[in-house]
Amino acid sequence: NAGVMQNPRHLVRRRGQEARLRCSPMKGHSHVYWYRQLPEEGLKFMVYLQKENIIDESGMPKERFSAEFPKEGPSILRIQQVVRGDSAAYFCASSYQGQGDYGYTFGSGTRLTVV
Amino acid sequence: QKEVEQDPGPLSVPEGAIVSLNCTYSNSAFQYFMWYRQYSRKGPELLMYTYSSGNKEDGRFTAQVDKSSKYISLFIRDSQPSDSATYLCAIPGGGSNYKLTFGKGTLLTVNP
Repeated sequence: NAGVMQNPRHLVRRRGQEARLRCSPMKGHSHVYWYRQLPEEGLKFMVYLQKENIIDESGMPKERFSAEFPKEGPSILRIQQVVRGDSAAYFCASSYQGQGDYGYTFGSGTRLTVV
Repeated sequence: QKEVEQDPGPLSVPEGAIVSLNCTYSNSAFQYFMWYRQYSRKGPELLMYTYSSGNKEDGRFTAQVDKSSKYISLFIRDSQPSDSATYLCAIPGGGSNYKLTFGKGTLLTVNP
């Protein structure tokens, strides 16, 4: 019973390149959440998706960031034209229902370094 | 005022000590409260969640909520070196119950 799977674990990109982070939710979970953890800061909500739908992207920067959760395959967080300030740990979580009252399960994260 | 505030520590204790970790929150409407543990370079792991006021115990861990003072606590009894991690309080909030608002985390080191 695999948990939330994220890959790659580590990603290094040069400024201006694109970063694609993948997240496969737990089996049976159709709700996916992305969070970002910047150095010296807590986890911050970015986006909430269900299959083929973006439910809430209020935490996403307006430019360069996008997310999708297609009918088939993993959820993707895409960062275009990365800058040094995008260096952070990005965590994906999933849940069976679309609520966080009982918490949800996080993956191990992707650590993005922009050089 | 931030929705959730947590003393970042760091906190260093000897093995066997009782540890108290705390958060305060601003919105009296919050009903669910949870604690996550995050080991270095790993994802957050849900430790416990509680609903409304009172205590909840799970082994060496006790979560406590005081809604009158908007204060939540996590107690660890007989602390072990394996408890060394960052502890994050989290509350579903920000206008929707699917969006968790986290404290910044308290780094705990238990020394053998």
